[in-house]
Amino acid sequence: GAVVSQHPSWVICKSGTSVKIECRSLDFQATTMFWYRQFPKQSLMLMATSNEGSKATYEQGVEKDKFLINHASLTLSTLTVTSAHPEDSSFYICSARVPSGHYNEQFFGPGTRLTVL
Amino acid sequence: RKEVEQDPGPFNVPEGATVAFNCTYSNSASQSFFWYRQDCRKEPKLLMSVYSSGNEDGRFTAQLNRASQYISLLIRDSKLSDSATYLCAVNTDKLIFGTGTRLQVFP
Repeated sequence: GAVVSQHPSWVICKSGTSVKIECRSLDFQATTMFWYRQFPKQSLMLMATSNEGSKATYEQGVEKDKFLINHASLTLSTLTVTSAHPEDSSFYICSARVPSGHYNEQFFGPGTRLTVL
Repeated sequence: RKEVEQDPGPFNVPEGATVAFNCTYSNSASQSFFWYRQDCRKEPKLLMSVYSSGNEDGRFTAQLNRASQYISLLIRDSKLSDSATYLCAVNTDKLIFGTGTRLQVFP
């Protein structure tokens, strides 16, 4: 399958700081990437759809001013958690849709585990 | 009603057993369907897409019933390494996941 990378794989930060997470498609160009969040023992919840060259589309209940998404190129999307608080601690996972896949397969990055102290 | 629903399990089965998971979805306009496998503290990995005619990949068989709006995954001859959480996912304009079904295969 297609390869998607994420950086960092884990981060620990103090409350009130901002954290940037990068998502890269390594062997294909992704016009659309997705950001998910997963709390322990729960499923993946879609946060937003990141579109290259345009504004992200956020799901209901996700604050766009808190979770800033930038998709400046066809291989990179970033998620910035601004003024992080302990309740933002979670597993953040990005995915990218393979443009040539006729069945709209999505492949996931390895995830970023965020812990806010 | 949730968009995608699964029995959370856990399913505890012995090696060699056959186990089946079902997943229902509410949006009749859903276009494509998938099963993902997620190991503890890891990202989901695509196990198989689910086609209208049903499809098989080794010990794994996936089926789709559009009329009843459910998809299924059958695992034959379970291995210890099959222990994981199995997530169904349904795509319209975005991919929506079920809560996942936990499978534990014991010796």
